[in-house]
Formats: sequence, C-alpha cells, structure tokens
Amino acid sequence: ETGVTQSPTHLIKTRGQQVTLRCSSQSGHNTVSWYQQALGQGPQFIFQYYREEENGRGNFPPRFSGLQFPNYSSELNVNALELDDSALYLCASSFGPGQGNAFFGQGTRLTVV
Amino acid sequence: DQQVKQNSPSLSVQEGRISILNCDYTNSMFDYFLWYKKYPAEGPTFLISISSIKDKNEDGRFTVFLNKSAKHLSLHIVPSQPGDSAVYFCAASSSTGGGNKLTFGTGTQLKVEL
Repeated sequence: ETGVTQSPTHLIKTRGQQVTLRCSSQSGHNTVSWYQQALGQGPQFIFQYYREEENGRGNFPPRFSGLQFPNYSSELNVNALELDDSALYLCASSFGPGQGNAFFGQGTRLTVV
Repeated sequence: DQQVKQNSPSLSVQEGRISILNCDYTNSMFDYFLWYKKYPAEGPTFLISISSIKDKNEDGRFTVFLNKSAKHLSLHIVPSQPGDSAVYFCAASSSTGGGNKLTFGTGTQLKVEL
C-alpha cells in the first residue's frame, strides 16, 4: 500500500508567476483535499476533490484552482503568485468525502520571492 | 475567526509522566474531532479521533476526552516518551459541512524530556 506522495518537495517562484503542485493519493482513496499551512499556523482548507469534481472550498481566491484525474491523483494550481502564498502545501487523501481520517503527504514548501 | 483554538503553543513534560494537550472550539456544528502529530519536514500523522456521540476514546497510550457543553477536548498521553516530541494539531469537522473539510488549531509543540 503506497502512501500519499507530493511533488516537488521544495519550490521557489517569483511573484506573479504560476505554480502547479502534484499529489498522488493513497491506494484505494478517491478523495483529495488540499491545505495551506503558513508558518506558525495550522493547516487551512483550500478545497477538496471527490471523483474528479470539486466538493467544497475554503476561503481562498479563484486564482487557487485544482484538478483531480481518473486515477484520483490531483493538482493544485496557483496563478499570479503573491508573497503571502509562501507556505507549506499539504495534500490529504481519504476514502470518501465524509468524516473520517485523512492521510497527509509530506507537503510542498513553496517560497515566493 | 479561529474556530479551533489551541491556547498553549508549547508544553514540556518529563519522560514517563502524563502529557495533556488542550483544544477549544466555537462552532457548534462540529461533530467529529481528530488529533494529528507532526514532525518537522513531514506531513501531519493521524493519531486518534472522537465522534460527538462519545466523551472518551482510548487507543494505547493516547486518550481523547470530549466535553461538548464546554466545547473542549483534550489529548492525554501516558506515559510520555521522547519520541512523542512533536507538534500536535487538534482538528474538527462537521457532517453537515459537506466534504471532509478539517478545521485545524494552531498546534502545540510538545517536548518530552529525559
């Protein structure tokens, strides 16, 4: 059984650029959620994908968008990067969108300069 | 608006003693609560959860207590071990909220000393 894997692990981008982060869900899981963790804060929910459809969104602007593929892997895209987007981005997978235990990847550390 | 609060940013405990980590919430719609542990450079790891229909759940050295009237939960670790040193996050979700959206607290850094 493979766990949740994210790529890349670290990334440096310039303000105004676009970035794509990737996540492979745990085997057997069909739901992926994305979180942003700023320094000294807890993870904040960005959005969730269930069976390739967006299934809930947190308080993030439209320049944060995502995709889920038929194999349930997922992408997080951020356009027009701002300095405040610098954070650890976490992907979590689960079986089904309801309550339950979500399993997290190791995260992607994004630095915007 | 911080709906899940962990008011102690850090806690230091001696090995073998009990660690008690606290969490408060304000949203009455929350009905499922989880604790995660996070080591540096790793993602959060699920520890233990509790549904709002229970007031206690135990798993080995870890016990979570839920006081719905006070909107308070706590994680007890006994006995504490040096490997328990990590950041602990409390998280909550609502079955009516749609999706498995977790709302996290800001975390408590636990240090277990020899």
